[in-house]
Amino acid sequence: AQKITQTQPGMFVQEKEAVTLDCTYDTSDPSYGLFWYKQPSSGEMIFLIYQGSYDQQNATEGRYSLNFQKARKSANLVISASQLGDSAMYFCAMREASWAGNTPLVFGKGTRLSVIA
Amino acid sequence: GAGVSQSPSNKVTEKGKDVELRCDPISGHTALYWYRQSLGQGLEFLIYFQGNSAPDKSGLPSDRFSAERTGGSVSTLTIQRTQQEDSAVYLCASSHDGSGGTGELFFGEGSRLTVL
Repeated sequence: AQKITQTQPGMFVQEKEAVTLDCTYDTSDPSYGLFWYKQPSSGEMIFLIYQGSYDQQNATEGRYSLNFQKARKSANLVISASQLGDSAMYFCAMREASWAGNTPLVFGKGTRLSVIA
Repeated sequence: GAGVSQSPSNKVTEKGKDVELRCDPISGHTALYWYRQSLGQGLEFLIYFQGNSAPDKSGLPSDRFSAERTGGSVSTLTIQRTQQEDSAVYLCASSHDGSGGTGELFFGEGSRLTVL
């Protein structure tokens, strides 16, 4: 079963506008972590933001914020004031925690964001 | 080193040959992961090493794939009798803490494998 679902294969946003990239996840484990990574055309994977399942507040990192809706199992990434350099693939990922330790990070299929000048 | 190092960065091989891909994780990182990324696709989990625990091999697509991690540091991913469908970028990642904590993954730049 798909654990991470990203329903938007591609998104366009005007420069300086905000954009939301959708991510839903599936787990029965009460303890888990959610991650967003950016992959520019160069291929490197860049960590953006993390949200733990027990965190009371939504995570924020500069222009990135995570809209965490636990009951809906949703962890959308919001990028404010988009810049041309934000054009990239964006991956949502999840790790579940068990008594034996963390499980491997499982990634969604990604969303390609294109920022238009 | 400062980051995760992978070699070779590019490998072209003929169908049926064996290949070895190497990953040198960030010093002190206890967890090491291998992922595969086909062109334009997401990351497919292959294998996960955490400290001295038995590796999680649940993502390996066939018995042609194997990996080892020597001395808790360097890892080698071996693909035997390569097939054209093995062509992909193989990404290695390491993290400081594989049990508890955020365990953010730090990725290498990948090894691009092309099987002719």
